[in-house]
Amino acid sequence: EAGVTQFPSHSVIEKGQTVTLRCDPISGHDNLYWYRRVMGKEIKFLLHFVKESKQDESGMPNNRFLAERTGGTYSTLKVQPAELEDSGVYFCASSPRTSESTDTQYFGPGTRLTVL
Amino acid sequence: RKEVEQDPGPFNVPEGATVAFNCTYSNSASQSFFWYRQDCRKEPKLLMSVYSSGNEDGRFTAQLNRASQYISLLIRDSKLSDSATYLCVVETGGSYIPTFGRGTSLIVHP
Repeated sequence: EAGVTQFPSHSVIEKGQTVTLRCDPISGHDNLYWYRRVMGKEIKFLLHFVKESKQDESGMPNNRFLAERTGGTYSTLKVQPAELEDSGVYFCASSPRTSESTDTQYFGPGTRLTVL
Repeated sequence: RKEVEQDPGPFNVPEGATVAFNCTYSNSASQSFFWYRQDCRKEPKLLMSVYSSGNEDGRFTAQLNRASQYISLLIRDSKLSDSATYLCVVETGGSYIPTFGRGTSLIVHP
């Protein structure tokens, strides 16, 4: 079974530019999460989709970040305009169920974003 | 105080050694606890969940102490392949949104 995939693996952009990250969860997984790890810090939650709906976006840093999951399949995370402090590794994770119990989250390999 | 705190290490141990990591959490309402393993420049992978009664998986033993608000991970008979960063993860409340610690680095040498 294919795991969570993310594209691109690396992105280097200049401050003020726009970048769109993509995540393809494991097929059939309703839950999709975005996380970010800034250099030297812990992994931080950004937001959670259940199918196409945003369940929790309390971790989104500001309105320069926009996440979508049209059709409840893949998700995109757009940063516009990018700032230097947005540099880091963006992880996506998915889990299978929408029940109240905690399911194992399967992480993608991450997208390493560098803003110059 | 950070929500989840871990000693960053690195813990540098010889093969065959036993090593233990602790992790403390600040929110007494936390309900679910996990240890993840992350290899260099790779994604985190679930190592094991941590249950109140403690649980063991081969050479790995995890324990939870709710009164003192910490969880632990014990690795026996360390292997070179155990070298990685071990992340403590805590989930609180009904949202099941995980809070990660910064991770503890383990280096197992021959």
